[in-house]
Amino acid sequence: QLQLQESGSRLVKPSQTLSLTCAVSGDSISSGSHSWTWIRQPPGKGLEWIGYIYHSGNTYYNPSLNSRVSISVDMSKSHISLNLTSLTAADTAVYFCARGRLYFDHWGQGILVSVSS
Amino acid sequence: DIQMTQSPSSLSASEGDRVTITCRSSQNIGTFLNWYRQKPGKAPELLIYTASILQSGVPSRLSGSGSGTDFTLTINSLQVEDCATYYCQQSHSTPRTFGPGTRVDFK
Repeated sequence: QLQLQESGSRLVKPSQTLSLTCAVSGDSISSGSHSWTWIRQPPGKGLEWIGYIYHSGNTYYNPSLNSRVSISVDMSKSHISLNLTSLTAADTAVYFCARGRLYFDHWGQGILVSVSS
Repeated sequence: DIQMTQSPSSLSASEGDRVTITCRSSQNIGTFLNWYRQKPGKAPELLIYTASILQSGVPSRLSGSGSGTDFTLTINSLQVEDCATYYCQQSHSTPRTFGPGTRVDFK
């Protein structure tokens, strides 16, 4: 049974960097057969695609975040990481990791990150 | 970016009703269209991918159709567990984009 679990800082100050980790269990990231995606959802709003990391290691980011975002994979730890720099209140959201690049068939439960001083 | 719209934004229906949600893309996306259901406080759940393929474990009372720019999600015989917000999402190109959602609740 594939499980994804997000973790990281839940309260971050403006201008600082958000760092989140998605732990994957029940599937082998190192098999290279899947891509992994981050999606966020501001409170009470819709879903925004952040980007994904392809099984080759290539990454694709939302141009609206392109210069601030990076996604990486640590195969030894079965972790997918998200870093988002220069945070503002507009980055307050629930952040989800998910499996897939076309459609997302497994999701983590999400982690609410608040940007506030 | 490909813009996705959904209609209606919300609807109320009775148990057993047939419900239809429409999704439209700003350009031709073929059948690169997926549907999700999200319940309050939970992660979205994949229902249908590639416009009409039912994800494993999803009840057959749900179905999807369409191609090009116009797509439909149909729920036959609405059940209590179907009350949620439904999102469409295009996978034709990056950035992937979602519709604004359609909230379904009981009358």
